[in-house]
Formats: sequence, structure tokens, C-alpha cells
Amino acid sequence: EMQLMESGGDLVQPGGSLRLSCAASGFTFSDNYMDWVRQAPGKGLEWVGRIRNKANRYTTEYAASVKGRFSISRDDSKNSLYLQMNSLKTDDTAVYYCAREFYYRFDAWGQGTLVTVSS
Amino acid sequence: QSALTQPASVSGSPGQSITISCTGTSSDVGGYNYVSWYQQHPDKAPKLMIYDVTNRPSGVSNRFSGSKSGNTASLTISGLQAEDEADYYCSSYTTSSTLYVFGTGTKVTVL
Repeated sequence: EMQLMESGGDLVQPGGSLRLSCAASGFTFSDNYMDWVRQAPGKGLEWVGRIRNKANRYTTEYAASVKGRFSISRDDSKNSLYLQMNSLKTDDTAVYYCAREFYYRFDAWGQGTLVTVSS
Repeated sequence: QSALTQPASVSGSPGQSITISCTGTSSDVGGYNYVSWYQQHPDKAPKLMIYDVTNRPSGVSNRFSGSKSGNTASLTISGLQAEDEADYYCSSYTTSSTLYVFGTGTKVTVL
């Protein structure tokens, strides 16, 4: 069974930084593209970004709303995905999910981790 | 990149069928057969219900079906059950720099 588990969510001040982690199991992590999706309180889902696999040079793409502030990385030896968030804004307050991207769909999701940006 | 448009709420009685629409543009829903649907119960992670417009993952009830016409995709739930009460989101691959766009979400209520 595929499993994803996020961690690292916290309360942070505007302008601050935070790093989220996602631990994967139950599938060959290194073969897959991995994404981050977020959901502000009471709102809908928003795609944040993606990192490709080694065969595709670990290239990344980001939503316009986070480009230049957020960075996605991975450590295939640890089956782990990361989201480095800098220059955080109150609008970044959300539950952050990691998800496996498999042929244009997200077929496995973690339980989410809450990031609150507030002074 | 704007979110795909879904009705805010849809309701039905047990056993009935309901349909949720998801309207985009030729740059997303209309341009690709990469529309997927997700079910989300309160305080839970989303769950994939339909992918590539019409396909069901293993383990998803055949009461769920998907279709597309032009720039609008649809999710139909047949034989509505109490456990189907949840939020539903569509998603599509898109040509914009934002690779994936989600719908605004639809709350399904079982009367």
C-alpha cells in the first residue's frame, strides 16, 4: 500500500521560512514525479509544484504564486520529498499535502501538515 | 491561471443520481483528456476517484463515472449513498506554467 506522511508544519511569522518533509513508502519512490498541493482553510485545492525523477534530471516547476519563494527537492536514498518555503506570506497559510503524480493524476496523498503564517 | 468552475453544491436523495460539472477552457479541460476527480471528506486527504476523464482506479465503486464534452467535464454519482457526502474537486493538466489546475469544489449533500 502506498503511504505518504508529511511533517514540519508550524506557526511562522510573515517573512519567515519553513521546511516541510514527506516520507514515502509502498512504492518505488525514485521512479516517480512528486508534487505538493495545498489547501487554505475552508478553501479549495491549489497545485504548488512538482519535481521530476532522476531520469528527468530532477527538474522542477512551480505555481506562479510561489515561484521564487518555494523550492522542492528530494532524497531518493531516504524516500523523502521536501518543500523549502521562504519569504512566507499570510496567504501561504494552508494544509500542505504531498502527492504522487502518476501519468497526469495524483493517485496517492499524505494526510497533510498545517502551516500557519501569522504575527 | 483561474480555477476550473464547479457548482458550489449539489444534493440528492439516497439512490438518486447526481452530476457535477467542471468547466474550463481549451487550454486545460478542452485541450487534454487529463481530467481527474477527487473526493475529500472533512479533515481528510483527497482521494482519486476518476482519471483520464473516464477511468476508475481499482477499488473505486462503479457508481462513479466521468465524461467530457468540449471544455466541460462531468462526474456522475449513481445510486447515491450517505458515504458519498463529501467535497469533490476536478483537476486538469494545463498548458500554462501552472501545470495543474483544480476546480472550485462542490459539496455533495445526501438528503
